[in-house]
Amino acid sequence: GENVEQHPSTLSVQEGDSAVIKCTYSDSASNYFPWYKQELGKRPQLIIDIRSNVGEKKDQRIAVTLNKTAKHFSLHITETQPEDSAVYFCAASFSGTALIFGKGTTLSVSS
Amino acid sequence: NAGVTQTPKFQVLKTGQSMTLQCAQDMNHEYMSWYRQDPGMGLRLIHYSVGAGITDQGEVPNGYNVSRSTTEDFPLRLLSAAPSQTSVYFCATQIGDTDTQYFGPGTRLTVL
Repeated sequence: GENVEQHPSTLSVQEGDSAVIKCTYSDSASNYFPWYKQELGKRPQLIIDIRSNVGEKKDQRIAVTLNKTAKHFSLHITETQPEDSAVYFCAASFSGTALIFGKGTTLSVSS
Repeated sequence: NAGVTQTPKFQVLKTGQSMTLQCAQDMNHEYMSWYRQDPGMGLRLIHYSVGAGITDQGEVPNGYNVSRSTTEDFPLRLLSAAPSQTSVYFCATQIGDTDTQYFGPGTRLTVL
């Protein structure tokens, strides 16, 4: 089955810096890669996703890149703000099947 | 349109007790799933269902049962609770063919 590794487990940046979180997956059949943000005590919320036919996707300060050959994908947050502080999860799935999640990255943005 | 609802929000059980965590959705989504979240372990898939009458096991199914008699409801049953099942449980639904999953608010379960 699918296995997703996520690094780093914690990340501390200064406000305005960029943050990068990386994930690798094991199943070459996986074709959907979402990223979720979870604030303390709340449910995970989808922030961006990418499919295997696309190499990069951007949404304002957030971007995701995918390297199918190496089986890894990354989340990039630019111009970080204190409200970006949260736990971020990557996940992978083959279309129509269950999402398998990484173990999460706790991002702290200090002002 | 209430989206995905979960009840109860909090529950404390004693070892060996049974209970059912409820998940309901009013969006007519076929796909529903249950995850548990533990510190440092991320979200682990327990069971999922691709439609009424169809269920399948995820990564950590032991100790849990599910059924899907209607599209709207996907209850998770703990037959004999154990302290290792202390966790936050999230139900999720998937929008049609988009693969996008949305999570319910969660149930925090403590087993003493």
